[in-house]
Amino acid sequence: GAVVSQHPSRVICKSGTSVKIECRSLDFQATTMFWYRQFPKKSLMLMATSNEGSKATYEQGVEKDKFLINHASLTLSTLTVTSAHPEDSSFYICSASHSILRGEKLFFGSGTQLSVL
Amino acid sequence: DAKTTQPPSMDCAEGRAANLPCNHSTISGNEYVYWYRQIHSQGPQYIIHGLKNNETNEMASLIITEDRKSSTLILPHATLRDTAVYYCIVRVSLGRGGSNYKLTFGKGTLLTVNP
Repeated sequence: GAVVSQHPSRVICKSGTSVKIECRSLDFQATTMFWYRQFPKKSLMLMATSNEGSKATYEQGVEKDKFLINHASLTLSTLTVTSAHPEDSSFYICSASHSILRGEKLFFGSGTQLSVL
Repeated sequence: DAKTTQPPSMDCAEGRAANLPCNHSTISGNEYVYWYRQIHSQGPQYIIHGLKNNETNEMASLIITEDRKSSTLILPHATLRDTAVYYCIVRVSLGRGGSNYKLTFGKGTLLTVNP
């Protein structure tokens, strides 16, 4: 199946620094990518929908100035956690939409575990 | 949004069929049902999806009731590696065509396959 690569898989940073997470669709073009976050033993929570060449659509309660999303090409979306704090520590997962003959599939990256000290 | 209801956990013996139910009584006529699973600390893995007909692929079968208010994911011969959280999701259209939608995850079912 289609492959979505997410990098880095794990990052530890100091409070107040910014962290960038990359999400790439390796063998298909994705006009739409999604960013989720997940706390331990909880389900995935959609943060934002990223459309190539336009501004991301954020879910209610998600700070757009805190979580900067850029989708500059059909194969790359980035999430930057600005001025990270310990409460931002979480598992961040990206996904990319792949059109197929019937319906569409959403393929997920392997996730990024962010730990803010 | 069309919400889904799943049992929080289920057990299954290795080699037996695992049948995971999902209720989606408020589903609209053009909304697909998707199934994903997530093994601990990994990204979700696509399993199968369908609209109204039953579907089968190399991983599983999806049985959707005629009124589309519920569905069942069937893993025909469960293995230990099938232990995961299984999510039943109704694709929510954003109203701008088929490529504009989002997937909202519920709590899922933790399937534990026992030896």
